[in-house]
Amino acid sequence: IVLTQSPGTLSLSPGERATLSCRASQSIGNNFLAWYQQKPGQAPRLLIYDASSRATGIPDRFSGSGSGTDFTLTVSRLEPEDFAVYYCQQYGYSPRTFGQGTKVEIK
Amino acid sequence: EVQLVESGGGLVQSGGSLRLSCAASGFSFRSYGLNWVRQAPGMGLEWLSYISTSSNSIDYTDSVKGRFTISRDNAKNSLYLQLNSLRDEDTAVYYCARGASATAWLIDYWGLGTLVTVSS
Repeated sequence: IVLTQSPGTLSLSPGERATLSCRASQSIGNNFLAWYQQKPGQAPRLLIYDASSRATGIPDRFSGSGSGTDFTLTVSRLEPEDFAVYYCQQYGYSPRTFGQGTKVEIK
Repeated sequence: EVQLVESGGGLVQSGGSLRLSCAASGFSFRSYGLNWVRQAPGMGLEWLSYISTSSNSIDYTDSVKGRFTISRDNAKNSLYLQLNSLRDEDTAVYYCARGASATAWLIDYWGLGTLVTVSS
């Protein structure tokens, strides 16, 4: 399954809303879609699983939605620590695949 | 606290071999499936391989099938990845990553990675 993320880069200011898209080449069963955040020099961190469930310790400004082939990660109000690269991943089929990433940068 | 610490990376010539290790702590190692994921410089993430709790289910992505071998030692709380026939395009940071308990193919924790550089 090919995952296509858009946009490639999102330039926003702290306090603004970020909306990231992940589109799959075929339907993802059980909505087995996750979102990860990665900062420079760090390992990825799980934010969202099963398309809409927040991982342990993730602030509620992060939310996931979608089903089938279209998924969205929303950050309601960007904090300075949220500027990073975000990846979606499907874990319903092998090989597990990642999107190419969306960079959220400070405008 | 879940900790995954990779080691064994380094500079290797094209066609050479390396063995990566991942030392785990802070959780019941034998109860979790494990993965290797890599990230080429400046690029995105690529899932490579998965091994189940008792090693009876193993999976690879096509680009490494036949060249890389995943294994684990539950007595030593360790995960391994044997890399053979290395190519320039295998240059990447290699991450050890834990599968979640409820959904084994979901990755919930990652190590910091070890860098493998393949030079021709």
